[in-house]
Amino acid sequence: QVQLQESGPGLVKPSGTLSLTCTVSGGSISSSNWWSWVRQPPGKGLEWIGEIYHSGSTNYRSSLRSRVTISVDKSKSQFSLKLTSVTAADTAIYYCARVRGQWRFFEYWGQGTLVTVSS
Amino acid sequence: IVLAQSPDTLSLSPGERATLSCRASQSVSSTYLAWYQQKPGQTPRLLIYGASSRATGIPDRFSGSGSGPDFTLTISRLEPEDFAVYYCQQFSNSPGYTFGQGTRLEMK
Repeated sequence: QVQLQESGPGLVKPSGTLSLTCTVSGGSISSSNWWSWVRQPPGKGLEWIGEIYHSGSTNYRSSLRSRVTISVDKSKSQFSLKLTSVTAADTAIYYCARVRGQWRFFEYWGQGTLVTVSS
Repeated sequence: IVLAQSPDTLSLSPGERATLSCRASQSVSSTYLAWYQQKPGQTPRLLIYGASSRATGIPDRFSGSGSGPDFTLTISRLEPEDFAVYYCQQFSNSPGYTFGQGTRLEMK
C-alpha cells in the first residue's frame, strides 16, 4: 500500500516561502505516475497546485506558476513544494498525492498538513 | 475548464437516492473525470474514475455516468456514512486538474 507523508513548517510569515516535503513509501517514486500537490483552504474546496514526474517534468497551475517550484529527490523517495511570496490567501491544508498515470485521478493522498501564513 | 456542481447542498434521508451533478464549461474526456468523497477532518477518498468505474473497495450503491460536459454521481440508497461533501475533478492538458466546488450531502 502506497503511503505519503507531508512534512514542513506549519507557520510561515507573509512574503516568506512555504516549503513542504512529501515522503513516499510502499511504492516507487519512479513508477509511471505523476506526483501532485493539492491544497484546501479551511472550510473551502480543493485546488490543484502542480505535479512532477520522476524524470523531473513539471506542470503547474497557471495562477501560481510564477511562485511555485516542485522538485523530486528519487534517492530519498521524496518530492517537494516551494511557494514564494506567500500571503494569508495561501493558508490551507496542503496534501501531496499520487496521480494514476493514464487516468489522471488522485489515487493516494497524504494526511495533509495545515500551513498558516501569519506574522 | 470550470466544473460547476449542483446542487450546492442536498438534504436527504437514509435510504433515499442521491443524484449529484457536475457540469464542465467545455467538453471533458470521460477518461479524465473522477469523483471524491470527503468527510470532515479527513482526506478526500476516490469513488469513481473514468466517469463510471468504481474505485477499489467502493460499494456498488455508488455509480457514475455521463459524458462531456455533463456527469452524474448517483448513490442508490443512502447509508448514514454517505453524508459528506462530494467533489468532481477533471484533467486536461490545459489547465491541468480542476475540481468542482463541491456538493454537501446532509441528512434531513
